Amino acid sequence: AQSVTQPDIHITVSEGASLELRCNYSYGATPYLFWYVQSPGQGLQLLLKYFSGDTLVQGIKGFEAEFKRSQSSFNLRKPSVHWSDAAEYFCAVAAYGNKLVFGAGTILRVKS
Amino acid sequence: DTEVTQTPKHLVMGMTNKKSLKCEQHMGHRAMYWYKQKAKKPPELMFVYSYEKLSINESVPSRFSPECPNSSLLNLHLHALQPEDSALYLCASSPLPGVEKLFFGSGTQLSVL
Repeated sequence: AQSVTQPDIHITVSEGASLELRCNYSYGATPYLFWYVQSPGQGLQLLLKYFSGDTLVQGIKGFEAEFKRSQSSFNLRKPSVHWSDAAEYFCAVAAYGNKLVFGAGTILRVKS
Repeated sequence: DTEVTQTPKHLVMGMTNKKSLKCEQHMGHRAMYWYKQKAKKPPELMFVYSYEKLSINESVPSRFSPECPNSSLLNLHLHALQPEDSALYLCASSPLPGVEKLFFGSGTQLSVL
């Protein structure tokens, strides 16, 4: 079965510092991979997605992610974090059919 | 209009009540979804409607009853819920069946007393 692991429950970074959120997946083939962001009590917003092709994917709000097949990873990065980036971030893999399987999420705190 | 609108935003109900959650989109999307998200947990899929027909039911208890009256509207009827059903209920839609392009609503925060 497909699964997604986000090993960091919480991450705190200083404003202006770089960010990397980790995501590992388990899947039998090349998966469709996603990163979503959720502010408290809100829905999810898609940051970026990978289906095939270039393994470095650019998203909205200055985020990017790199697909590494050898490591089964899809880590999210941002070179300089802003206070407004504080939120919860979910990595997800598309399972067979119309189903997204989400990781447990990483809560990002930004300190000024 | 690029939004998925969910009403109400907050709902408190007793275990004997009957209530409904509503989700609307006017983007011409042909697939709509219900997700349940408990506190400090990721969203979990409940139901998928494709072309107004129920295509996926993730073994959800019958006290949750989905309905898709037309391609723009998705309801979730609630009856005899339990306190453990308290959660954020998220609706999503996509242009075609498939998760490549999901648009999420802001959710309904449900509390069952």
